[in-house]
Amino acid sequence: NAGVTQTPKFQVLKTGQSMTLQCAQDMNHEYMSWYRQDPGMGLRLIHYSVGAGITDQGEVPNGYNVSRSTTEDFPLRLLSAAPSQTSVYFCASSLTGLGKLNTEAFFGQGTRLTVV
Amino acid sequence: AQSVTQLGSHVSVSEGALVLLRCNYSSSVPPYLFWYVQYPNQGLQLLLKYTSAATLVKGINGFEAEFKKSETSFHLTKPSAHMSDAAEYFCAVREGGNKLVFGAGTILRVKS
Repeated sequence: NAGVTQTPKFQVLKTGQSMTLQCAQDMNHEYMSWYRQDPGMGLRLIHYSVGAGITDQGEVPNGYNVSRSTTEDFPLRLLSAAPSQTSVYFCASSLTGLGKLNTEAFFGQGTRLTVV
Repeated sequence: AQSVTQLGSHVSVSEGALVLLRCNYSSSVPPYLFWYVQYPNQGLQLLLKYTSAATLVKGINGFEAEFKKSETSFHLTKPSAHMSDAAEYFCAVREGGNKLVFGAGTILRVKS
């Protein structure tokens, strides 16, 4: 059972370049989300989706775009990379809806991004 | 919006000693609370969760947490630390709409 798969694991970008971080889950979860992890700041929510065709902004959405065309995939796009976007990015998925709020979120292994 | 405070960004204990990692939350309604562990260069793994069935929750690897509504706390404990427990630990609360809000994390160091 693959769970949540993120690619790539590592990436170095030059300032101004764009790229897409991939995330796929095989658990048929409706809810998917992207977080960034920075030292001393925990995980901060970038964007999330409650189902195919529905996305919304989280706490730190600036500089990032998302789309959700299928239940399985939730890519994160960096439009014009900046050094401030150097971080570790995690994708997560979970069930949603009434009676499901106490279920756990499953996380990918992360993408370590460096912008130079 | 709900928030989570983890007291102590770094905690150091000797092998065999008690582990206590603190977590306080802000919530006006019964919360959904989680503890996750992150080993170096890995993703987050669920340790345990509070589901309102019992105030003392047992998780994996010998960890447990006690929900105290009067103190708005959900501290994580383990009676005897092992070297393999060295990791970063995150407390999280689920808001309405499924969002998880994380604390800043506590790095646990275990000394031999």
